[in-house]
Amino acid sequence: KNEVEQSPQNLTAQEGEFITINCSYSVGISALHWLQQHPGGGIVSLFMLSSGKKKHGRLIATINIQEKHSSLHITASHPRDSAVYICAVRNSGNTPLVFGKGTRLSVIA
Amino acid sequence: DTEVTQTPKHLVMGMTNKKSLKCEQHMGHRAMYWYKQKAKKPPELMFVYSYEKLSINESVPSRFSPECPNSSLLNLHLHALQPEDSALYLCASSHPTGSYEQYFGPGTRLTVT
Repeated sequence: KNEVEQSPQNLTAQEGEFITINCSYSVGISALHWLQQHPGGGIVSLFMLSSGKKKHGRLIATINIQEKHSSLHITASHPRDSAVYICAVRNSGNTPLVFGKGTRLSVIA
Repeated sequence: DTEVTQTPKHLVMGMTNKKSLKCEQHMGHRAMYWYKQKAKKPPELMFVYSYEKLSINESVPSRFSPECPNSSLLNLHLHALQPEDSALYLCASSHPTGSYEQYFGPGTRLTVT
């Protein structure tokens, strides 16, 4: 079974800061997902990656397949970015997602 | 329409009650999922339906009974739950082949008293 590790577990940033959240996994994958969950809320899919880099607004996700590592970057962070960010991987085909424990981000104005 | 809807948003039930959670999507996804999430923990997979047939049951107690009556609907029937079953129950859907991007619903927050 894949092991998914995220760092840091908790992160506090000042508004406007550039933020990086890291994810590493132990076994080759078919896809990696970055998910966002606001307190008490449902989960929103931010990105699905199998290679390279994706950008959506102030969010950028990268993946290095050889190093089994992905990063989620947030530029010009804002208090509304405060949430838990979860990395999840899929080993192959439509096998179930394996989740990391999440990174709790708090952006202070 | 890229939305997964879940009802109810909140549910309080006693240990002898029978209740049901409902999930609906109209994206043409033929894979649907139930997850359980405890506070400050990642989601735990409970069940997967693929083409309306149960394909994965992650050793979930029989007091949880899933049902997929058609390709758009997923139910979770609850009976004789325990207080430790209190959690956020999330539904998700995806195509069973291809991109597999998973769309999550807002969840039902269940409290068992």
